[in-house]
Amino acid sequence: NAGVMQNPRHLVRRRGQEARLRCSPMKGHSHVYWYRQLPEEGLKFMVYLQKENIIDESGMPKERFSAEFPKEGPSILRIQQVVRGDSAAYFCASSKTSGRYNEQFFGPGTRLTVL
Amino acid sequence: GESVGLHLPTLSVQEGDNSIINCAYSNSASDYFIWYKQESGKGPQFIIDIRSNMDKRQGQRVTVLLNKTVKHLSLQIAATQPGDSAVYFCAENSPGGGADGLTFGKGTHLIIQP
Repeated sequence: NAGVMQNPRHLVRRRGQEARLRCSPMKGHSHVYWYRQLPEEGLKFMVYLQKENIIDESGMPKERFSAEFPKEGPSILRIQQVVRGDSAAYFCASSKTSGRYNEQFFGPGTRLTVL
Repeated sequence: GESVGLHLPTLSVQEGDNSIINCAYSNSASDYFIWYKQESGKGPQFIIDIRSNMDKRQGQRVTVLLNKTVKHLSLQIAATQPGDSAVYFCAENSPGGGADGLTFGKGTHLIIQP
């Protein structure tokens, strides 16, 4: 049973380009969470999605960032017109159910570097 | 603002000794806490969790203690091994804080000396 998959593992973009990060949840999981981790920092919650729905995007920057979790295929975190401050590790987690006591399983992350 | 944080950024222990990693939280409404282990280049891995109706919970070689009076959480690792080297985060999920996103502290880097 494969865990949470993320790709690419490393992504390099120049300022102004777009970054697309993909996340495939664990089999049987329909809840996806995206987090951002700056160097030497803890993870910061960005967005929580279920299939075809954004449930909570309170941690998402208001501009340039968007997320989706279509009926078919992986969840996508999209960053438009990237800036150097977007350089970070982006982690996806999935859970089988919703609720505050559910266990979230994390993927290996995508490390975004903006030149 | 309300936050979850750790007292020490780095903890160095001898192999075989016990390790204690501390965490302070400020949101008195927090009622669910999780410890994660993150090895270099990997995502966080669940270690153990505890709800606020408990003071102590034990797992395999790990124990989590919760002191709600002083809003303090600790992770004890018994007989520390080289494989325990990692950054350890405490995280909390408080009621009314939005959906199920976790709030993480900054992390403590545990270094095991031979």
